Amino acid sequence: KQEVTQIPAALSVPEGENLVLNCSFTDSAIYNLQWFRQDPGKGLTSLLLIQSSQREQTSGRLNASLDKSSGRSTLYIAASQPGDSATYLCAVTVGAGNMLTFGGGTRLMVKP
Amino acid sequence: EAQVTQNPRYLITVTGKKLTVTCSQNMNHEYMSWYRQDPGLGLRQIYYSMNVEVTDKGDVPEGYKVSRKEKRNFPLILESPSPNQTSLYFCASRDGQGGSEAFFGQGTRLTVV
Repeated sequence: KQEVTQIPAALSVPEGENLVLNCSFTDSAIYNLQWFRQDPGKGLTSLLLIQSSQREQTSGRLNASLDKSSGRSTLYIAASQPGDSATYLCAVTVGAGNMLTFGGGTRLMVKP
Repeated sequence: EAQVTQNPRYLITVTGKKLTVTCSQNMNHEYMSWYRQDPGLGLRQIYYSMNVEVTDKGDVPEGYKVSRKEKRNFPLILESPSPNQTSLYFCASRDGQGGSEAFFGQGTRLTVV
């Protein structure tokens, strides 16, 4: 059964820092990997989608990489801002019904 | 605008009183699914549907029912809610391609007392 792990569980950084969030998965037979942002009590906002055949995707200050063979993905946030404070979730698409398997998330706080 | 819409956003109910949470998407997606999110347990899939009249269980289906009579709608039914179903619920949709992006609704916070 696919398992997704995110490290660290929580992270606090000063504004302006570049940071890396990590995601690992146990089964490399994935269709894609998606990074989401979730604000407290709110819905999930899709940030980046990486297909299994791709190595990375970029959107603004965000860059996500995928190493399918080793079961790892990283989300790089450049020049962090207080508005980046949220929980970041990674999820892989597997199996019948295109089920998403989520990691536990990284709770990020960017201090002014 | 591409959207997944859930209703209601907040619901407080009593044990045993049947309820339905609606989900509708306007993207003509084949796949729809329901998740619940609980502290310490993360997001877990309840049910999914690959098309009209095709539904299947996810990881935590006990106590829930779904139906897919129309492509755009995928309601979640709790026939006899219990306090352990207090949770934050999300509906999601994506098109039929395996590598497609998943879109989520804004969530329904359900409290069963």
